[in-house]
Amino acid sequence: QVQLQESGPGLVKPSETLSLTCTVSGGSISNYYWSWIRQPPEKGLEWIGYIHYSGNTNSNPSLKSRVTIAVDTSKNQFSLKLSSVTAADTAVYYCARHDMATTRLGMDVWGQGNTVTVSS
Amino acid sequence: DVVMTQSPLSLPVTLGQPASISCRSSQSLVYGDGNTYLNWFQQRPGQSPRRLFYKVSNRDSGVPDRFSGSGSGTDFTLKISRVEAEDVGVYYCMQGTHWPWTFGQGTKVEIK
Repeated sequence: QVQLQESGPGLVKPSETLSLTCTVSGGSISNYYWSWIRQPPEKGLEWIGYIHYSGNTNSNPSLKSRVTIAVDTSKNQFSLKLSSVTAADTAVYYCARHDMATTRLGMDVWGQGNTVTVSS
Repeated sequence: DVVMTQSPLSLPVTLGQPASISCRSSQSLVYGDGNTYLNWFQQRPGQSPRRLFYKVSNRDSGVPDRFSGSGSGTDFTLKISRVEAEDVGVYYCMQGTHWPWTFGQGTKVEIK
């Protein structure tokens, strides 16, 4: 059974870069799309962006200029970098997998989430 | 961006009674390939979201058949025929037709 685990700092200073890694276990990162989604405290879900194992990416236009998503197939990991963070970026960050070779159907496997607080 | 509007935002339900959640989109969710990319997720307290349905009414593995999804175009519904205690949580609709994919605000289901 595929499992996803986010890892990274829980606290980031304003204007710095948030960096998270998602490690895929129990299966291969190949042949799937992978996404990052976030959830601010007491709020709903926001799609950050996705990456194909081949390296093709797409990001939410609202965050695009600040987002970098990358994949490392040798480590079975993919990552998120979000630059110039502010308090508005405080959220639980989830990594997730897309099944059926498309991102349009949402995600069938989710990580547990990594809480990131932006504060000095 | 396509705006997904759910109602109600809070839904107190008596155990064993039915529940219904509406999700409306600001644009038609019919894609050029003929599919309608409207999906439903459940987020139980303290847990990550879990997909319940994809393409309106395709039930994910392990989802009880008391849950059903329906709708077309811009108007969609998630129904629970008889609410059980484990159904407590927040339910989100999500569209995958128009990039960026967007979620509804969420509907909180609680037991009366």
